[in-house]
Formats: sequence, C-alpha cells, structure tokens
Amino acid sequence: KNEVEQSPQNLTAQEGEFITINCSYSVGISALHWLQQHPGGGIVSLFMLSSGKKKHGRLIATINIQEKHSSLHITASHPRDSAVYICAVKAGGTSYGKLTFGQGTILTVHP
Amino acid sequence: DSGVTQTPKHLITATGQRVTLRCSPRSGDLSVYWYQQSLDQGLQFLIQYYNGEERAKGNILERFSAQQFPDLHSELNLSSLELGDSALYFCASSVTFPGNTIYFGEGSWLTVV
Repeated sequence: KNEVEQSPQNLTAQEGEFITINCSYSVGISALHWLQQHPGGGIVSLFMLSSGKKKHGRLIATINIQEKHSSLHITASHPRDSAVYICAVKAGGTSYGKLTFGQGTILTVHP
Repeated sequence: DSGVTQTPKHLITATGQRVTLRCSPRSGDLSVYWYQQSLDQGLQFLIQYYNGEERAKGNILERFSAQQFPDLHSELNLSSLELGDSALYFCASSVTFPGNTIYFGEGSWLTVV
C-alpha cells in the first residue's frame, strides 16, 4: 500500500460542477502540499497545509490531521481547471525535504 | 513563471552516456530539490540541498549525483544511463525547507534511447 493514496484516479466533470479530490496518508506528517500539473508538464504548488483549511479563489483545501486525510475542492469548475492534481506529504521528524507523492488525479472539465 | 529555471528542456541521449541537468533556483531561495517523474513510478524525491550542503536524500540511484554551487545553482548528474532513466526531472526551490511554498521549474525531459 502506498503511503499517499488519492481518489479518484480519474474525474470527469461538466463546467460549473463542484469537485472534490481526496488524499489519505499513512505516516505522520508536518505538511501536506496540493500541486497542479498541466498537460505541458509544469507543476504549480496550490497549497501547503499543516492544519485546518485554506482558500484561494475557487480552490479550497482542508486537512484533518487526526484522520490523516485532506481534500481539495474546486467550486464552479472550468475547463481550464483540467489538469493532474497531486497530493504530496512531508513526513514529520528529521527528513527535511523528502516529499512523498500520491499518484495524482486526472481531472477533465468539459464545457 | 515560477522563477526556477531548468536547462535543457529536452534531451535525447544513448544508453551508457552521462548527462548534466542544471537548475537555477528563485532569487533568494536557499533550498533546491530534485524530483524524478516517470510513467511507472510517478513523482519521486531524489535529493535536497540547502545552501550548498546535502540535506535529504530519497530514491536517488548511485549512478546519479548532485551538487549545489556557491551561487546556489544546482546540477544533477546522471551517468551510465539506462532506458529506465527516461523521465521528466524537476528542480524546485524554496526559501528554507518544505513548510514553505515550493516553486517548481518546468522540468527537463530526458529520453534515453
């Protein structure tokens, strides 16, 4: 079993729909990142969370440390949101820079 | 534009060869990270440097090595290349350690033939 599991692996939505992508992890962490990767390959960091909830525009990220679970929500989805969304965790302890990545969720939003 | 610059963007080379990937971090960022993204393994952390010193090591093969220079740019050296080394190699930087936002470069596509 992978340390970081994302669901669903593939997600298709119609423009305007509310979207949720889930991330579960099995190790103690000090931070969780949500990343967006566009078809060209470039990666953008959307959020870094260690507790609670963050919002940026139409994107909302939440984390529940006790349940080892995080969600990324997209409100009023748009075709330009089509991308791969990747959850990555930084384990607690002495491993400074080691991020462990989920396998990614491929999101396609149709007009 | 993240401010992280990687060169080359694309590279095709033969098995057994050696290549060097270069990364210039964002101005002021002291930490540099290297990641490998392949079709079968997904994204994997390779190695981190902070202000010239190695700070964390991940799934980096012995055939691979990296360094960070005094001007903070970093190089990832891949030697004795195998077909399975074909992947997208990302460099990223942050001010200190993760705990801060990480900024990714556009990646270097390596194809080994």
